[in-house]
Parts: sequence; structure tokens; C-alpha cells
Amino acid sequence: DTEVTQTPKHLVMGMTNKKSLKCEQHMGHRAMYWYKQKAKKPPELMFVYSYEKLSINESVPSRFSPECPNSSLLNLHLHALQPEDSALYLCASSQAQGLSGANVLTFGAGSRLTVL
Amino acid sequence: EDKVVQSPLSLVVHEGDTVTLNCSYEVTNFRSLLWYKQEKKAPTFLFMLTSSGIEKKSGRLSSILDKKELFSILNITATQTGDSAVYLCAVRKSGAGSYQLTFGKGTKLSVIP
Repeated sequence: DTEVTQTPKHLVMGMTNKKSLKCEQHMGHRAMYWYKQKAKKPPELMFVYSYEKLSINESVPSRFSPECPNSSLLNLHLHALQPEDSALYLCASSQAQGLSGANVLTFGAGSRLTVL
Repeated sequence: EDKVVQSPLSLVVHEGDTVTLNCSYEVTNFRSLLWYKQEKKAPTFLFMLTSSGIEKKSGRLSSILDKKELFSILNITATQTGDSAVYLCAVRKSGAGSYQLTFGKGTKLSVIP
């Protein structure tokens, strides 16, 4: 299994809603990532988990809350978002730092989020 | 500040043409350069380059890295409409910050029949 699976594929939410994006991989990767991608822009790193611990938080607003319940799952909890948060949210995974294959990220298909 | 610059930003070619996409970078503690292809959704991995002068090849696609001049090129020969996509170049550092990939803005390739 060489896939990163993201759900939902599309999400529309109001500014007062609470929702979550989910990501799952079964490749034994111990590093997992959240990226945000706006239209016609490259992906921007939000968070990195390494061995289920938050390793990098790129100064992301607290209305985005990541969670890594186990080595296969990564969630992104959303609360009180703004319309400008509308974007494609990409999950990725890789081998952990120092291991062979750590350089190559495998991306999921993304969750397209629209905030009204 | 780390920089990855891709050129051209967009390109329209006819089927059968050969294209060369460029990626130049300025990063401290360079470790590797990666090329991804992004169609509608997920970027898909094409190549990882760590050593200068060694060409990576996969079918009609090939790529090479020049660590002295700090650039890489991605060549696509005999282009097909299925090659239409955004091609992203990304650079990975070593040491602290090694989880971060710095992406270029991408080159949008359109192949017309």
C-alpha cells in the first residue's frame, strides 16, 4: 500500500463550525505533514509530526489544531475559520529523518476546503 | 532566506515537442532536490537528485542537477497531452529544518494536440 488517503475530499463550512480533516497512511512512515495550497501557488508547510510528536509548527493560527493519534493517522481540527482559509489541504508522509527515503514525501489527494 | 525559482512559469507546446523546465535554488545546507508533477490534486513524485551530473531517467522524463551552479533541469521528450500539469521543484535541507521542503512556484505545462 503506497497511498496516503485523505477525507473528506471536499468540505464546506461556516465560520462558526468545527470540523476535522483526516489523513491515513499504512506505509510505515513515521513523519507526517500538513500543507496548505492556495490556487496557483505552491504548497506551504503547516505542521510536521515525527514519531507522533509535533516537530514543526510554521506559526499556524490556533484555529488549526493538528493531532496525531497514532503512527498511521493525522488529523487537522478546524474551528472558527475565516474565508481566506479556503484552500486545498494536503497531507503527506515520509520516512523519518535519518532513514532512507526520508527525503521523498508521498502526498494524499487533498481536501478542498471552502469557508463561507 | 531560502529560495527556489522555477522558469518559465507557464509553457504551451504541441504534442511531440521537447521541453526543458528550469529550477534554480539558494538554500543553506542543501541535501536534495525533488521534482513533483501536480495535475488536479496530489503532487506525485518524479525524481530526487542529490549528486551533481548524474542524470535520472524515467521513460520520456529525465532530470539532472548541477550543485556548482545551483540548478536543475527537467526534460520531457515527445510530449503528450497527459503531460499537461504543474511541475513543482522542491529543495530539502540537511540538519535542522530537514523536514521542510521549500517549493518553487511551479511551471504550468500545457500540451495541445
